Amino acid sequence: QVQLQESGPGLVKPSETLSLTCTVSGGSISSYYWSWIRQPPGKGLEWIGYIYYSGSTNYNPSLKSRVTISVDTSKNQFSLKLSSVTAADTAVYYCARVGDIVLMVYEVWGQGTLVTVSS
Amino acid sequence: DIVMTQSPDSLAVSLGERATINCKSSQSVLYSSNNKNYLAWYQQKPGQPPKLLIYWASTRESGVPDRFSGSGSGTDFTLTISSLQAEDVAVYYCQQYYSTSALTFGGGTKVEIK
Repeated sequence: QVQLQESGPGLVKPSETLSLTCTVSGGSISSYYWSWIRQPPGKGLEWIGYIYYSGSTNYNPSLKSRVTISVDTSKNQFSLKLSSVTAADTAVYYCARVGDIVLMVYEVWGQGTLVTVSS
Repeated sequence: DIVMTQSPDSLAVSLGERATINCKSSQSVLYSSNNKNYLAWYQQKPGQPPKLLIYWASTRESGVPDRFSGSGSGTDFTLTISSLQAEDVAVYYCQQYYSTSALTFGGGTKVEIK
């Protein structure tokens, strides 16, 4: 059974870059799409972007200028970088596996990691 | 972007009674070539990640109890819990995947016990 685990700093200073990694266990990262979603405290869900195991990406237009998602198939991991963060980027960040290019729903989720942007 | 609007924001239902959640998209998510609605529903319990309940608007994910059902087409969709159980207390979200370059969620509906 595939499991996902987010890791990275829980506190990031304003204007710096948020960096998170999602480790995939119990299955291969190959042949799937992988995504990042975030949820500000007490609020709803926001799609950040997704990456195919081959490296092709698609980002939320509202975040596109600040987001980079990458994949490392040798480590069965994919990563998120969000630059120039502000307090508005404080959220629980989830990594998730997408069904496929047609069925773009989130089948498997990590437990999420809270990232706070504060000086 | 396709905007997803859910209603109500919250509802309180007695145990064993029916709960109905609505989701409206700003444009149709029905793909004419395959006659499928690109609409999913998720359940999120406190402190947990969301869980996929339904996709293609009405197909239950494996293991999801049959008291959960989805219906609707085009721009108007409904998630129904036919007989509310205590473990169904959660926030429910709809999501469109018609536009794969801009996946969007509804704002969520909180379901509580009356």
